[in-house]
Amino acid sequence: EDQVTQSPEALRLQEGESSSLNCSYTVSGLRGLFWYRQDPGKGPEFLFTLYSAGEEKEKERLKATLTKKESFLHITAPKPEDSATYLCAVFFGNEKLTFGTGTRLTIIP
Amino acid sequence: KAGVTQTPRYLIKTRGQQVTLSCSPISGHRSVSWYQQTPGQGLQFLFEYFSETQRNKGNFPGRFSGRQFSNSRSEMNVSTLELGDSALYLCASSTNPGTDTQYFGPGTRLTVL
Repeated sequence: EDQVTQSPEALRLQEGESSSLNCSYTVSGLRGLFWYRQDPGKGPEFLFTLYSAGEEKEKERLKATLTKKESFLHITAPKPEDSATYLCAVFFGNEKLTFGTGTRLTIIP
Repeated sequence: KAGVTQTPRYLIKTRGQQVTLSCSPISGHRSVSWYQQTPGQGLQFLFEYFSETQRNKGNFPGRFSGRQFSNSRSEMNVSTLELGDSALYLCASSTNPGTDTQYFGPGTRLTVL
């Protein structure tokens, strides 16, 4: 069964302290990997789409990378407003978007 | 461009009742997907519609159903509500089905008492 695993489950960082979130998936025909950010009580907000190993995307303090078996979301010098749950989703060959359980990120001022 | 809209935003029902949720996709998007989000199970795929046809379905009982109209708007229905159906129901739209990026609405918070 296609699976998506995110780690860590929760992460607390000081403002300005850079780190990375991980998303690993079963290697069974990835057709696309998506990163979303979700604030409490709101719908997920799209961040990045990655389609092939070696691909990288950047937006402000965030950078997403993709290998054949995992993706990283790098957060550089985060600010308190970056606090949210970050979700990874993979589109497998079964044509269903499968989500990980997310990483709850807290940035402490 | 307006985003995905969902109505109602909040709903309280009792066990055994049925409920209909509505989703209006981003203009020009023809594919609509529905997801259920709960603290225990996370985001789970319910079904996807494209050109008024259900294209894909997740592992949910038949009490969960949906449809799409010619203007791409979509509705989902849950019959004979159970306590476990309490969740945030999210609708997402994309230009086409498949690997196109899905954009989510704010969700409908359903509480079953």
